[in-house]
Amino acid sequence: EADIYQTPRYLVIGTGKKITLECSQTMGHDKMYWYQQDPGMELHLIHYSYGVNSTEKGDLSSESTVSRIRTEHFPLTLESARPSHTSQYLCASSDRETSGPWGTQYFGPGTRLLVL
Amino acid sequence: KNQVEQSPQSLIILEGKNCTLQCNYTVSPFSNLRWYKQDTGRGPVSLTIMTFSENTKSNGRYTATLDADTKQSSLHITASQLSDSASYICVVSDRGSTLGRLYFGRGTQLTVWP
Repeated sequence: EADIYQTPRYLVIGTGKKITLECSQTMGHDKMYWYQQDPGMELHLIHYSYGVNSTEKGDLSSESTVSRIRTEHFPLTLESARPSHTSQYLCASSDRETSGPWGTQYFGPGTRLLVL
Repeated sequence: KNQVEQSPQSLIILEGKNCTLQCNYTVSPFSNLRWYKQDTGRGPVSLTIMTFSENTKSNGRYTATLDADTKQSSLHITASQLSDSASYICVVSDRGSTLGRLYFGRGTQLTVWP
């Protein structure tokens, strides 16, 4: 069982509200990621981080922002939620790997967001 | 265009039976291929990882194969159990940049019936 946690697990919120999805890992991993996943669809990378004070946008355009002030913490913020943001958000982390650019990713349980 | 295609999209089998899931990819340059299991409402969990030189890798009742020449992989599940009901996702990584890049399939939704 991976030591990576996400809160809340479920969130129903009205349009225009500001929300922050929390993600924490206790494995000391440098790399962390946020993915968006719709039912029956592939995961899409929206943000990633190499380490503290390092954040990059992923492949899928997102109106969310992230921060990485501490190694273990990688929160995602939506300043003004819209119905189009309704989705599942998965956080992941990975360690350094001697072979290949990606370490095995450990995923959190996800946050299911519904914006009304 | 780098892509990962999985088939079938969904599969229903009886408990105790075997099944095979397929993954075709066009990712290049290839680094490795992983199979993940994602239970409903949970995050994916890694089952196997295979590099270019590996043909077969097992993890309990799960056996993954890789043919790097034809860019195909399969995941064989032996003696299925109810707990195998999940989405199985094929993920291919390239080695085209420092961080690399992951390409996700849409998954095969497996349902095991008693």
